[in-house]
Amino acid sequence: DTEVTQTPKHLVMGMTNKKSLKCEQHMGHRAMYWYKQKAKKPPELMFVYSYEKLSINESVPSRFSPECPNSSLLNLHLHALQPEDSALYLCASSQETGPYGYTFGSGTRLTVV
Amino acid sequence: QKEVEQDPGPLSVPEGAIVSLNCTYSNSAFQYFMWYRQYSRKGPELLMYTYSSGNKEDGRFTAQVDKSSKYISLFIRDSQPSDSATYLCAMIPPRGSASKIIFGSGTRLSIRP
Repeated sequence: DTEVTQTPKHLVMGMTNKKSLKCEQHMGHRAMYWYKQKAKKPPELMFVYSYEKLSINESVPSRFSPECPNSSLLNLHLHALQPEDSALYLCASSQETGPYGYTFGSGTRLTVV
Repeated sequence: QKEVEQDPGPLSVPEGAIVSLNCTYSNSAFQYFMWYRQYSRKGPELLMYTYSSGNKEDGRFTAQVDKSSKYISLFIRDSQPSDSATYLCAMIPPRGSASKIIFGSGTRLSIRP
């Protein structure tokens, strides 16, 4: 299995809702990432987990809360989002946080109304 | 000055043409270079990964790195309509951590049948 699977593919949520994005990989990768991508822009790093521990938080607002329950799963909990948070949220994994390329999932397209 | 510069395009070429996509970078210490392909509404897919100066070939794709000029290229031979996508160059900065991959802004490529 050489894939990163993200669910749901699309999500529409109100500004008072709580929702979660899920990401799963079975490649034995020990580093997992959340990225945010706006239209016609490159991905922007949000969080990095290395060996199930949060190692990097790129000053992301607290309305985004990551969680890594085990080495294969990564969640992003969303609460009280703003319309400007609408974007494609990408999960990625890599062998470790060394000089490795990523495997990206297909993303969750989030719309905040 | 951005660390990685990439012409956003769009670039439109006829089917069968040779395509040249380029990035320049400012930090001479970069060691690892990648090209990702991203179809509309999908996550980026790793195409090529190179470590040193020179050429690396994979089917119709050739990645070229010129560290003396701080310039990398991706060539696509016999281009097909299925190659229409956004191509992102990416680099790993010194200390070689995948958590700090720097992406170019992406070039939108369209192959006309």
